[in-house]
Amino acid sequence: EVQLVESGGGLVKPGGSLRLSCAASGFTFSSYSMNWVRQAPGKGLEWVSSISSSSTYIYYADSVKGRFTNSRDNAKNSLFLQMNSLRAEDTAVYYCAGRTSGQNWFDPWGQGTLVTVSS
Amino acid sequence: QSVLTQPPSVSGAPGQRVTISCTGSSSNIGAGYDVHWYQQLPGTAPKLLIYGNSNRPSGVPDRFSGSKSGTSASLAITGLQAEDEADYYCQSYDTSRWVFGGGTKLTVL
Repeated sequence: EVQLVESGGGLVKPGGSLRLSCAASGFTFSSYSMNWVRQAPGKGLEWVSSISSSSTYIYYADSVKGRFTNSRDNAKNSLFLQMNSLRAEDTAVYYCAGRTSGQNWFDPWGQGTLVTVSS
Repeated sequence: QSVLTQPPSVSGAPGQRVTISCTGSSSNIGAGYDVHWYQQLPGTAPKLLIYGNSNRPSGVPDRFSGSKSGTSASLAITGLQAEDEADYYCQSYDTSRWVFGGGTKLTVL
């Protein structure tokens, strides 16, 4: 069964840091580009970051550039998002999502992990 | 403000046909990039519904169809069912970033 499971979410104060993880199983993780997509409470989907299969190419949305770092460990079938200098507007459910290399749609998706930035 | 524009809501009675539009620009849909659609049921993660403008993943009923023309795309749902009530998002690519529409809430009357 294809599965993505996020973890690491929680409550953090403004200016703080958090590291999200995404564990993949049931598909060839090392062949997929991997992505983070977030959804603020009651709002729509926002693409956050993309990392290519071999980590050669990493892209970020302007809203997180310089604060978030996307990385992966293909040996452990894992994806990570290091989030620093967190702001209230970063509060959202963060989903990891796969993307077949060379294609631009997202599939599969994880169930998401909630990050709340509040004092 | 989303890069792709969708109507906030649409509605229809069971059995009817509804369409959801997605309008982009010359840097995304109009540049030739494909449009993809996702369905998000309440309290769940998004699920791929249509990829490459008009292709359905395995398991998606043929009641769902997609099309693209110029700088816009559309999702059509025929034979509306109660379980189709959800949020629908279009998505494309735009200069080193992936972009979504603001989402459309479908209400089945």
